[in-house]
Amino acid sequence: DIVMTQSPDFLPVSLGERATINCKSSQRVLDTSNNKNYLAWYQQKPGQPPKLLIYWASVRESGVPDRFSGSGSGTDFTLTITGLQAEDVAIYYCQQYYSIPDSFGQGTKLEIK
Amino acid sequence: QLQLQESGPGLVKPSETLSLTCTVSGASIRTRDCFWGWIRQPPGKALEWIGTIYYNGDTYYNPSLKSRVTVSIDTSKNQFSLKLSSVTAADTAVYYCARVRQKTKSGGEDYWGQGTLVTVSS
Repeated sequence: DIVMTQSPDFLPVSLGERATINCKSSQRVLDTSNNKNYLAWYQQKPGQPPKLLIYWASVRESGVPDRFSGSGSGTDFTLTITGLQAEDVAIYYCQQYYSIPDSFGQGTKLEIK
Repeated sequence: QLQLQESGPGLVKPSETLSLTCTVSGASIRTRDCFWGWIRQPPGKALEWIGTIYYNGDTYYNPSLKSRVTVSIDTSKNQFSLKLSSVTAADTAVYYCARVRQKTKSGGEDYWGQGTLVTVSS
């Protein structure tokens, strides 16, 4: 099974500043046949289901603000939120869907400093 | 607008079988474009992928749960279901159903139900 490890577990950031969340997979999640990384990012607010933000490591889901961006390839990935807004307070999860079982990171709790 | 809604008992006794149904509205479950899946989240913990099913009945399970899990689909009712046998307190969680896009087209779970809390307790 592919293990996903996020860092940090807890991230305090001031309003308007940049938040950076890292995700590392125990195996490559890159499909060399199409050069796609099967890596997604989700945002989860209290009492709500997760919301898909990014797929293929860097493609923003329709309707997601452009202050959210994803990067990385192979085993190392990053979610960046530029110009943090109060509504971005949430837990963020990365997920690999390269091989079964799909697996999620442990989550990063983002809060306002 | 696609919507998913979980239903089923909120309390299950230890050693019994947890049964949940996900009703899909706004689109046909009989589609080749995606899968349908179950994910759970113990209180205060991370997400755990349980398994997925395709419209034709093909299933994919988390090996850690495979011996206890059955996911089925009823295209006539536009529903899919989860059964988890021999439950223990460790199976207490919010259970979500979701649409799972094919990974070669995009991937990721893009539509989710609101989730239902299932507590295992006598």
